[in-house]
Amino acid sequence: ETGVTQTPRHLVMGMTNKKSLKCEQHLGHNAMYWYKQSAKKPLELMFVYNFKEQTENNSVPSRFSPECPNSSHLFLHLHTLQPEDSALYLCASSQDARVYGYTFGSGTRLTVV
Amino acid sequence: DQQVKQNSPSLSVQEGRISILNCDYTNSMFDYFLWYKKYPAEGPTFLISISSIKDKNEDGRFTVFLNKSAKHLSLHIVPSQPGDSAVYFCAASAVTGGTSYGKLTFGQGTILTVHP
Repeated sequence: ETGVTQTPRHLVMGMTNKKSLKCEQHLGHNAMYWYKQSAKKPLELMFVYNFKEQTENNSVPSRFSPECPNSSHLFLHLHTLQPEDSALYLCASSQDARVYGYTFGSGTRLTVV
Repeated sequence: DQQVKQNSPSLSVQEGRISILNCDYTNSMFDYFLWYKKYPAEGPTFLISISSIKDKNEDGRFTVFLNKSAKHLSLHIVPSQPGDSAVYFCAASAVTGGTSYGKLTFGQGTILTVHP
């Protein structure tokens, strides 16, 4: 049990589909993050939420739409994705990432066909 | 512009020997550095961190060294064990606009394989 739960673990979707990734944490952390991990690349920060407010959008295409209804839940809504969007999507939470780092979920392996 | 770089994509070490994983950074504003370990099909897990006011931090078999003048840090694992085989990411953080929550910038990872 990592403290951060992501569902689903695996997702295969067509380019015209709409799907959502879910992330949940009950660690009492105030900040939540979406990262993308592609093969042989660094983890890429996508979005940051602090106290439910989006504080960073790292030039992510609009086909990715985040939602943070409260400090414990984070969603990533997906629509009209491209095959190059296939990657591992990681959710993380933190209280003070500078000192204590993040707690990551296990990720959602997304394949766009 | 990649601010955190791990130039070795992979490292192979014999069990019982030392593993040394390296990381370079370019942003002088980074003031905390962290190492994460990732097994397949799992999210990264925090391993050890170091503040920029220190040059060494030790936790059991794991030691992180920081050379600020060279903008270089390294993770030493002694002795290495087969269970240490994983992808290791270094990460760095800086105060972001005065906020406390922070964000991490990651390197691309090094695959460590420890052979029995």
